[in-house]
Amino acid sequence: DADVTQTPRNRITKTGKRIMLECSQTKGHDRMYWYRQDPGLGLRLIYYSFDVKDINKGEISDGYSVSRQAQAKFSLSLESAIPNQTALYFCATGAQETQYFGPGTRLLVL
Amino acid sequence: QKEVEQNSGPLSVPEGAIASLNCTYSDRGSQSFFWYRQYSGKSPELIMFIYSNGDKEDGRFTAQLNKASQYVSLLIRDSQPSDSATYLCAVKGTGGSYIPTFGRGTSLIVHP
Repeated sequence: DADVTQTPRNRITKTGKRIMLECSQTKGHDRMYWYRQDPGLGLRLIYYSFDVKDINKGEISDGYSVSRQAQAKFSLSLESAIPNQTALYFCATGAQETQYFGPGTRLLVL
Repeated sequence: QKEVEQNSGPLSVPEGAIASLNCTYSDRGSQSFFWYRQYSGKSPELIMFIYSNGDKEDGRFTAQLNKASQYVSLLIRDSQPSDSATYLCAVKGTGGSYIPTFGRGTSLIVHP
């Protein structure tokens, strides 16, 4: 089984809808991250959490919210999806100097 | 604003050649440097990290760091078509920061 899983893997939604992307990990890491990746723009940090009670905004948090339900679970919500949130979303965990990425969720907002 | 710059490429090299990927960074206080490989449609995976000036070798991969000039490079010897991917450079700053700044990546194509 994969150490970092993301659901769903693909999602199509409409403008204005609320959606949630979920991330689970079995690595036992305290640090978890959400990134989005757009062609030509690299990985950009949305939110990160260093433990269950610690949530921090990244460089592009507007329009997003997160929930750290447990050490192993970190969810990303789009409160009211808009087309420019169409992207590939990655969850990652961190230990020491290494980040481990989930397989990604490809989101299309129509 | 911390910046990490990479040439987007594509960098095209023949099979068996040495591929050289470069990355520059703006924060002079940066402490840790990483190279990730990302195949098309897949997630990034860590190839190497380096902390000290000089070279670090791991198999066919060599990371080179020059803090005075603020650049880090990745050399891939005996390049294979399976090395064709996008290579992301990431840099972490001072103070025990666990938030890396990623470059936009360089696309590498190794042709037979």
